[in-house]
Amino acid sequence: DAGVTQSPTHLIKTRGQQVTLRCSPKSGHDTVSWYQQALGQGPQFIFQYYEEEERQRGNFPDRFSGHQFPNYSSELNVNALLLGDSALYLCASSLQVFNTGELFFGDGSRLTVL
Amino acid sequence: QKEVEQNSGPLSVPEGAIASLNCTYSDRGSQSFFWYRQYSGKSPELIMFIYSNGDKEDGRFTAQLNKASQYVSLLIRDSQPSDSATYLCAVNNDMRFGAGTRLTVKP
Repeated sequence: DAGVTQSPTHLIKTRGQQVTLRCSPKSGHDTVSWYQQALGQGPQFIFQYYEEEERQRGNFPDRFSGHQFPNYSSELNVNALLLGDSALYLCASSLQVFNTGELFFGDGSRLTVL
Repeated sequence: QKEVEQNSGPLSVPEGAIASLNCTYSDRGSQSFFWYRQYSGKSPELIMFIYSNGDKEDGRFTAQLNKASQYVSLLIRDSQPSDSATYLCAVNNDMRFGAGTRLTVKP
């Protein structure tokens, strides 16, 4: 049973560029949440997708956008990259949209912005 | 702003001791609480969740919740070096995480 898979694992971008990160949820899960984790910090909630719609959003600017596909996989897009966007981006899947259930995390995509 | 606060540590305990990890939250309406463990360079994994006031035990782990004091804790009994990790407290709905407490268990 495949767990949560994320790609790419590492990437380097320069300021002003755009990036797309991808996530496939654990088999049977229908909800995908995205988190940003800076070094030494806890994960910060970006947004959550269910039924191809953004259901909840954290305190992140509109430069951060996402999408969920009919097969429940998801993308995170970040435009106009800033140095401060350098972080580990974690995708988590679950079965219940309101997060009363367990989150299963992928191994993350580490983004470095130069 | 809904906050989840944890002591960042590091917390160091000898092998076999009890490790006590604490978390406070600001949203009085919070209903569910989670403890995740994150090894260095790895993604978080769920250890325990608790919904009701009181204690919940699972093996060497005990979660304690006091909604009146807006406080949740995790006790690790008979701590092992393999328990050395960062422990993250998370609060429901948008699953807000604290910054985590780094625990080191010394042999």
